[in-house]
Amino acid sequence: EDQVTQSPEALRLQEGESSSLNCSYTVSGLRGLFWYRQDPGKGPEFLFTLYSAGEEKEKERLKATLTKKESFLHITAPKPEDSATYLCAVQVPQGAQKLVFGQGTRLTINP
Amino acid sequence: EAGVAQSPRYKIIEKRQSVAFWCNPISGHATLYWYQQILGQGPKLLIQFQNNGVVDDSQLPKDRFSAERLKGVDSTLKIQPAKLEDSAVYLCASSAQGSVEKLFFGSGTQLSVL
Repeated sequence: EDQVTQSPEALRLQEGESSSLNCSYTVSGLRGLFWYRQDPGKGPEFLFTLYSAGEEKEKERLKATLTKKESFLHITAPKPEDSATYLCAVQVPQGAQKLVFGQGTRLTINP
Repeated sequence: EAGVAQSPRYKIIEKRQSVAFWCNPISGHATLYWYQQILGQGPKLLIQFQNNGVVDDSQLPKDRFSAERLKGVDSTLKIQPAKLEDSAVYLCASSAQGSVEKLFFGSGTQLSVL
């Protein structure tokens, strides 16, 4: 069964304190791995797509990387406005294209 | 560009009652999704439409949930009768034709079943 597991469930950092979020997946034939950001009371917002091991994408203070079994979302010198839940999803290869989401990591950046 | 619109924003009902949610996707987006997000969990796909047709409804509890997409644009999701475990946020998303790469989500409808 296709599975996506994110860790930690929650992470609290001080402003400027860099860290990484993990997304482990088990899927037969990865077609794509996606990172989304979700603010309270809002729907998820697209951040990155990664397709192959070794690929990296960057946006402001965020960098996403991909290996054959997991992805990391690195946050460098975070600011309070980076506080959100970060969701990882994988594209399931069978049948219609669809995404299977992890449970998310709730990130809090204290000023 | 207008985003995905959903209504109502909040809904409180008693168990065994019925409820309906409405979604208007981004103009021109052929694919529409309904996701269920239970507190503390990631979104789970309920049903996916490509234009008017259903592409995937394998995780839709068909004994109580139904959905339709009229004229390939707006969509409604209905629950009848509701159960306590249906309490969740119901998210609608849309994407360009055949592309799961970038989904655009609405803000969701928060349903509480008492």
